[in-house]
Amino acid sequence: DVKVTQSSRYLVKRTGEKVFLECVQDMDHENMFWYRQDPGLGLRLIYFSYDVKMKEKGDIPEGYSVSREKKERFSLILESASTNQTSMYLCASRTPEGIGNTIYFGEGSWLTVV
Amino acid sequence: GDSVTQMEGPVTLSEEAFLTINCTYTATGYPSLFWYVQYPGEGLQLLLKATKADDKGSNKGFEATYRKETTSFHLEKGSVQVSDSAVYFCALSAGDYKLSFGAGTTVTVRA
Repeated sequence: DVKVTQSSRYLVKRTGEKVFLECVQDMDHENMFWYRQDPGLGLRLIYFSYDVKMKEKGDIPEGYSVSREKKERFSLILESASTNQTSMYLCASRTPEGIGNTIYFGEGSWLTVV
Repeated sequence: GDSVTQMEGPVTLSEEAFLTINCTYTATGYPSLFWYVQYPGEGLQLLLKATKADDKGSNKGFEATYRKETTSFHLEKGSVQVSDSAVYFCALSAGDYKLSFGAGTTVTVRA
């Protein structure tokens, strides 16, 4: 089974802090994603990466950056956390093109910014 | 652009009732369609999928059929259990690397 692991399940950070959310997948997937989930808004794509050191903005990239130095690891960075970034963050990875085209999610990281 | 519209909730049912959650989509090309489920406090799990027209995805008693003529992928289960209480998301992938999600439908099953 595909395993997507988000190292931090629950975090509380102060406004202005730099926050790192880490995600690791064990299936050698090239494509990885960061979403945020908010009530009534569903899932919104923040950033995705289609290979090591490659990244593209999703629908709501403002206030975020990402790092993909190794294939298995995709990090989301909040350079200066703000209260409107309080949310649940979901990491995902995707099977290769032509093999199911399925995205697998981690368990989520609940971030509260105070 | 690609989009998914799913039935708004919340939906509250009694155990053994029939569940339907409607999902329609707009996409260019021939998308793959998915249903994901999110149990309380957890991430999203793939429930079922269909990759072409008339395919039926099924898992854990849930079913959904890819209907190209009505651009729909409605989720059904004949007899729900309390353990089916969750948020259900319809999603599509239309040939690129992204998933487009519906807003989610919260289902609560009472004993």
